[in-house]
Amino acid sequence: KQEVTQIPAALSVPEGENLVLNCSFTDSAIYNLQWFRQDPGKGLTSLLLIQSSQREQTSGRLNASLDKSSGRSTLYIAASQPGDSATYLCAVSDNFNKFYFGSGTKLNVKP
Amino acid sequence: KAGVTQTPRYLIKTRGQQVTLSCSPISGHRSVSWYQQTPGQGLQFLFEYFSETQRNKGNFPGRFSGRQFSNSRSEMNVSTLELGDSALYLCASSLTDTNEQFFGPGTRLTVL
Repeated sequence: KQEVTQIPAALSVPEGENLVLNCSFTDSAIYNLQWFRQDPGKGLTSLLLIQSSQREQTSGRLNASLDKSSGRSTLYIAASQPGDSATYLCAVSDNFNKFYFGSGTKLNVKP
Repeated sequence: KAGVTQTPRYLIKTRGQQVTLSCSPISGHRSVSWYQQTPGQGLQFLFEYFSETQRNKGNFPGRFSGRQFSNSRSEMNVSTLELGDSALYLCASSLTDTNEQFFGPGTRLTVL
């Protein structure tokens, strides 16, 4: 069974710092990997989607990489801002359209 | 394009009652998935519907059920509510070619 782990569970950084969030998964037979952010009590907002054949995706200050063979993905956030404070979740899907979520990294960017 | 919508946004029920939640996917999306999110268990997959058929199912008791209509709108039903069913219920829709999921704002269910 696919298991998704996110480390660290929580992270606090000063504004302006570059940071990396980690996501690992146990089964490399994935269809895609998706990063989300969730604000307290709200739904999930899709940030980046990486298909299994891709190595990375970029959107603005965000860059996500995927290494299927090692079962890892990283989300890089450049020049962090207080508005980036949220919980970041990664999810992998398999070829049967089932999705598996990590427990998230709660990010706090201090002004 | 309108996003995924969920109704109602908030709901308070008592133990033993039943509840129905509704989800309208993004236009053109035929897959709808449901998730339960609690502080202790995180985000757990309930089921997925595609073209009115349940395609995937998570490990939840039979009290949790769902359906999808011909216009792709979906409902989930929870019967005989328990205190532990208090959670944020999230719905997501996706296109079949990319599987990229788009989530609604959720329905906050409180069971007293």
